[in-house]
Amino acid sequence: DGGITQSPKYLFRKEGQNVTLSCEQNLNHDAMYWYRQDPGQGLRLIYYSQIVNDFQKGDIAEGYSVSREKKESFPLTVTSAQKNPTAFYLCASSLDRVGETQYFGPGTRLLVL
Amino acid sequence: GQSLEQPSEVTAVEGAIVQINCTYQTSGFYGLSWYQQHDGGAPTFLSYNALDGLEETGRFSSFLSRSDSYGYLLLQELQMKDSASYFCAAMDSNYQLIWGAGTKLIIKP
Repeated sequence: DGGITQSPKYLFRKEGQNVTLSCEQNLNHDAMYWYRQDPGQGLRLIYYSQIVNDFQKGDIAEGYSVSREKKESFPLTVTSAQKNPTAFYLCASSLDRVGETQYFGPGTRLLVL
Repeated sequence: GQSLEQPSEVTAVEGAIVQINCTYQTSGFYGLSWYQQHDGGAPTFLSYNALDGLEETGRFSSFLSRSDSYGYLLLQELQMKDSASYFCAAMDSNYQLIWGAGTKLIIKP
């Protein structure tokens, strides 16, 4: 079955710690995205990548970093510089850069201890 | 700035029809997408309108008026499983989706 997987489902971060969220897709999609969703809110774009070895900042990139070394993988690191990281993180992909149809993974809930 | 406005909550009765409106303001505009998200789940794609008019997909239809910067999602023959949040998202000039805050649809039996 083709799709997007994210791990872990829940993640706990201690103060001053960097954590990495995994996102893998086997849809052969070129573009991948990371969104953050806070309770009762819409999605806000953190980073996106339209091709391997290239990525762009979204609206709320500060305190986050990404890499795109393989087409299938787009991990997100939440650094200690992100002071309010508690949120639901969603990874998505689209066939190409015109991403009107995006397919989402199940998400990772990040909580700060 | 870029923004989308949609009602925070809509209530309807099972079997009825409901319309969820969305107005947008973006820098450049290619089209309007709609997504459904159940509590605790991930968004799933419903429809995309690039041109003015009505697009129908089963019980769901979506409408766009580019001159009014307005669109809506129409859900017919409501079922309890349609209880969810519905998001409109506009594609801007960078081909990125700008998301509304979502409309929670409550369906009563």
